[in-house]
Amino acid sequence: EPEVTQTPSHQVTQMGQEVILRCVPISNHLYFYWYRQILGQKVEFLVSFYNNEISEKSEIFDDQFSVERPDGSNFTLKIRSTKLEDSAMYFCASSAILSSGNTIYFGEGSWLTVV
Amino acid sequence: GNSVTQMEGPVTLSEEAFLTINCTYTATGYPSLFWYVQYPGEGLQLLLKATKADDKGSNKGFEATYRKETTSFHLEKGSVQVSDSAVYFCAFILTGGGNKLTFGTGTQLKVEL
Repeated sequence: EPEVTQTPSHQVTQMGQEVILRCVPISNHLYFYWYRQILGQKVEFLVSFYNNEISEKSEIFDDQFSVERPDGSNFTLKIRSTKLEDSAMYFCASSAILSSGNTIYFGEGSWLTVV
Repeated sequence: GNSVTQMEGPVTLSEEAFLTINCTYTATGYPSLFWYVQYPGEGLQLLLKATKADDKGSNKGFEATYRKETTSFHLEKGSVQVSDSAVYFCAFILTGGGNKLTFGTGTQLKVEL
């Protein structure tokens, strides 16, 4: 079964450093997402991306965050200057179409620890 | 606002016991409902879904019925196995909601021999 892959699986970074989390969505999917889960809390929507632009973002997704699809296969989340509260599991996801009943496929997550 | 409420865990059961994980939702529109599962060390996987009222989603022996009148989508399994030990997330997407999933906090299930 096709899958979403994410790298790295775990990253430790110093506060204030830039971090890039990478994702390879399922190849024929058109819609891409980032979610995050702070330890012990809900999985939260960050951003959705379609046709090379952000289609929706949450209030969490402030100017410190950016997303990019640099080529035909990768989808990245950049955190420009990490804060302690950015420590979380970040999930990339993708879907084929835009429909409320459509399946969204998630990667295994990238665990970010900011120290 | 939109939200999902799940029963708190961890839920600990013996193998072959009956499982119910309660989930209720508050949504401003008409949602599609999902259960995702996260096995240890793995990502979120879709377990089942239901897209309209009275639909029953099922997979791997798990079932959940979309109850619009009670805004609920409780997950059930008649006989759990040790391999079902995981965290279960209830979630929804609003029709016209841009594929944005709203998740519950997750319920950890531990199944013991």
